[in-house]
Amino acid sequence: GQNIDQPTEMTATEGAIVQINCTYQTSGFNGLFWYQQHAGEAPTFLSYNVLDGLEEKGRFSSFLSRSKGYSYLLLKELQMKDSASYLCADPGDGSSNTGKLIFGQGTTLQVKP
Amino acid sequence: DAGVTQSPTHLIKTRGQQVTLRCSPISGHKSVSWYQQVLGQGPQFIFQYYEKEERGRGNFPDRFSARQFPNYSSELNVNALLLGDSALYLCASSLSTGGYTFGSGTRLTVV
Repeated sequence: GQNIDQPTEMTATEGAIVQINCTYQTSGFNGLFWYQQHAGEAPTFLSYNVLDGLEEKGRFSSFLSRSKGYSYLLLKELQMKDSASYLCADPGDGSSNTGKLIFGQGTTLQVKP
Repeated sequence: DAGVTQSPTHLIKTRGQQVTLRCSPISGHKSVSWYQQVLGQGPQFIFQYYEKEERGRGNFPDRFSARQFPNYSSELNVNALLLGDSALYLCASSLSTGGYTFGSGTRLTVV
């Protein structure tokens, strides 16, 4: 089955670096998604990792270790607008394209001045 | 290009009533999924439709139903509303491959 765990809340300072961890247990792993969700808004796509290693996209990077069932989202040069919920999600039915995402509870990140 | 559009944006219903939520996917996207997001939690999968056929169903009671139309838009119906159905209902669309784009959701409040 699928079980995704991530910390509930994190706090960091503007300009700093923060790492949000996600662990998962899945029998048919097919990649891992990260989404950002501001309060009251739709989740927006950040990254999709299917291979081990680090993928960098500007200030945001995502890392995956399939053998350890572990991923993290790294946010650099934090800005106040980065205050949001960060959701880790597994396409739980064995495919990346059939619409069934299994989400973690989300990590609420608060960026302070 | 328009993104995923959902209507209405907000809705207040009384316990026992029925509600219909609507979703229009991105043009060209044939897959539509529905999620329920309770405050403080991640979205929970309800249904997925692809080419007008149900491809997946989450752990929700039979009070929840959905359908997809020939133009790939979709409706989510919830009967006999309970207070616990109060949530943000999200629709996501995708191509046959690739990531999912979410709509802004419908905020349902059951009183």
